[in-house]
Amino acid sequence: EAGVAQSPRYKIIEKRQSVAFWCNPISGHATLYWYQQILGQGPKLLIQFQNNGVVDDSQLPKDRFSAERLKGVDSTLKIQPAKLEDSAVYLCASSFNSAETQYFGPGTRLLVL
Amino acid sequence: RKEVEQDPGPFNVPEGATVAFNCTYSNSASQSFFWYRQDCRKEPKLLMSVYSSGNEDGRFTAQLNRASQYISLLIRDSKLSDSATYLCVVKSYNTDKLIFGTGTRLQVFP
Repeated sequence: EAGVAQSPRYKIIEKRQSVAFWCNPISGHATLYWYQQILGQGPKLLIQFQNNGVVDDSQLPKDRFSAERLKGVDSTLKIQPAKLEDSAVYLCASSFNSAETQYFGPGTRLLVL
Repeated sequence: RKEVEQDPGPFNVPEGATVAFNCTYSNSASQSFFWYRQDCRKEPKLLMSVYSSGNEDGRFTAQLNRASQYISLLIRDSKLSDSATYLCVVKSYNTDKLIFGTGTRLQVFP
């Protein structure tokens, strides 16, 4: 069974630029999550989707971050404009439903200069 | 106070040693508990769930003390391949949100 796919794997941008990340969850998984993991810390949930609806975006900095999952399958996370403190690994995870085990993708490593 | 607290380590142990990691959580309404493993520059992967009665998976034993809001992971007969960061994770009762600790880094040396 294919795992969670993410692209790009690495991205370097300058502050104030925009960037977008893509995630394709495991087939059949209704719940999709985006996490931010800053170096030396555990992952922090940014947003959770159930199919194409948002369940929890309480920790998403909505002035600069946006995410969508229009057809209830793959998802994009965008940062516009980026700040230095956005440098982190952005992990996508999916689960069959919100009560089941979450499986993580390899992440996108973002460096903002 | 952080919702999930762990000693970041690193714990440097020789092969064959027994090592224990501890974790405390602040929300008494927490429902489910897990240990995830994260290798360097890789994604987190579920190592094991933690049950109230304690549970074992090979060389790994997890225990939960709800009264003290304390979770532990014991690794016996450490292998070089056990070198990784171990993340303590808590799921709250009223949401399915996972709260991760900062992780404890383990380095097993020959």
